[in-house]
Amino acid sequence: AQSVAQPEDQVNVAEGNPLTVKCTYSVSGNPYLFWYVQYPNRGLQFLLKYITGDNLVKGSYGFEAEFNKSQTSFHLKKPSALVSDSALYFCAVRDRGNNNDMRFGAGTRLTVKP
Amino acid sequence: DAGITQSPRHKVTETGTPVTLRCHQTENHRYMYWYRQDPGHGLRLIHYSYGVKDTDKGEVSDGYSVSRSKTEDFLLTLESATSSQTSVYFCAIRTEKADTQYFGPGTRLTVL
Repeated sequence: AQSVAQPEDQVNVAEGNPLTVKCTYSVSGNPYLFWYVQYPNRGLQFLLKYITGDNLVKGSYGFEAEFNKSQTSFHLKKPSALVSDSALYFCAVRDRGNNNDMRFGAGTRLTVKP
Repeated sequence: DAGITQSPRHKVTETGTPVTLRCHQTENHRYMYWYRQDPGHGLRLIHYSYGVKDTDKGEVSDGYSVSRSKTEDFLLTLESATSSQTSVYFCAIRTEKADTQYFGPGTRLTVL
């Protein structure tokens, strides 16, 4: 079965600095990859996804992610962090051959300090 | 919020009692999912549905059952709640065109 690892429980950055939230995955076939964000006491909000095509995917709120097949990674990035980006971020993977079995990472808490 | 509501939003119950959580969607999506969220585990799939009366088990289905008698409603039942089922439960739909899951606001369940 597919799996996702988010190696950092917590990421701290200063406002205005670039941010990276790391994600690596394991899947037997070709992956569909997703990033979601969760604000306190809210559900998960979809940020972006990779299905096929360009390795650099752009999503909501200025976030982007780069698919790297050789490193099996899908890191989330933003050039200039905002305090309002502080939240819990989840990476998720699905095998293209199984539309219903999506696996999530444990989550990374991003804190952006003024 | 993709037209998804969950009820109740908060519930406290006692060990051994039955509990039913409801997920309601307004956009006629075929695919619906129930997840639980626990610290250190992210989200884990409990059950999913691919149509009325069509359901299947997910990664952590033991102790849970589901029903879908109408397209818009997907019910999750804990037949006899245990403290290990204390969690936040999320419902999701998957849009077939975008092939993306969207989540409801969640239900926080505490089993004492």
